[in-house]
Amino acid sequence: NAGVTQTPKFRILKIGQSMTLQCAQDMNHNYMYWYRQDPGMGLKLIYYSVGAGITDKGEVPNGYNVSRSTTEDFPLRLELAAPSQTSVYFCASSDSVESSYNEQFFGPGTRLTVL
Amino acid sequence: EDKVVQSPLSLVVHEGDTVTLNCSYEVTNFRSLLWYKQEKKAPTFLFMLTSSGIEKKSGRLSSILDKKELFSILNITATQTGDSAVYLCAVLLYNTDKLIFGTGTRLQVFP
Repeated sequence: NAGVTQTPKFRILKIGQSMTLQCAQDMNHNYMYWYRQDPGMGLKLIYYSVGAGITDKGEVPNGYNVSRSTTEDFPLRLELAAPSQTSVYFCASSDSVESSYNEQFFGPGTRLTVL
Repeated sequence: EDKVVQSPLSLVVHEGDTVTLNCSYEVTNFRSLLWYKQEKKAPTFLFMLTSSGIEKKSGRLSSILDKKELFSILNITATQTGDSAVYLCAVLLYNTDKLIFGTGTRLQVFP
């Protein structure tokens, strides 16, 4: 199993550009999450999904969009990049809430810089 | 508003010292509390605590949860330089299955 994979690892964007951060998991997890982590700060939830076709906002959704057309993939879209979106982005997945061991598995992260 | 607060923010110790990291929370629909270790990249899972008063141990690390006082501690005994990392506490909520993270405690262990 590859676990949770993210691409790209690094990206530099100009203000106003758009991009999609890719996330995929091969553990057949229903729940997937996108977090951002700013320097010296904890993780903040951007969006999450409880299954294919279902997404919901987290704490800091503004400026982002997501889709979940399959169980495996959960891409995060930035439409008009702003310097405030400079951060490290982590994707995570977990088993259903009925699981007795609800650990979230994290991807390696994408470091995004907006100049 | 749900929140998780960790203390101290930063800790510097020498090898062999014992450290205690604190995590307090104020949330609705508490399900579990999780501890993660984050070195250079993604957080790695340490413990998940659901019941009060039951200590979880893994080698030199241990953790316990107090659901009455709404806090958890993470203990590391006989610290090593490899323990240097940011330790994140997170609370898992019922219904939404969302994790609320604290800002972390940065631990530096010097030889």
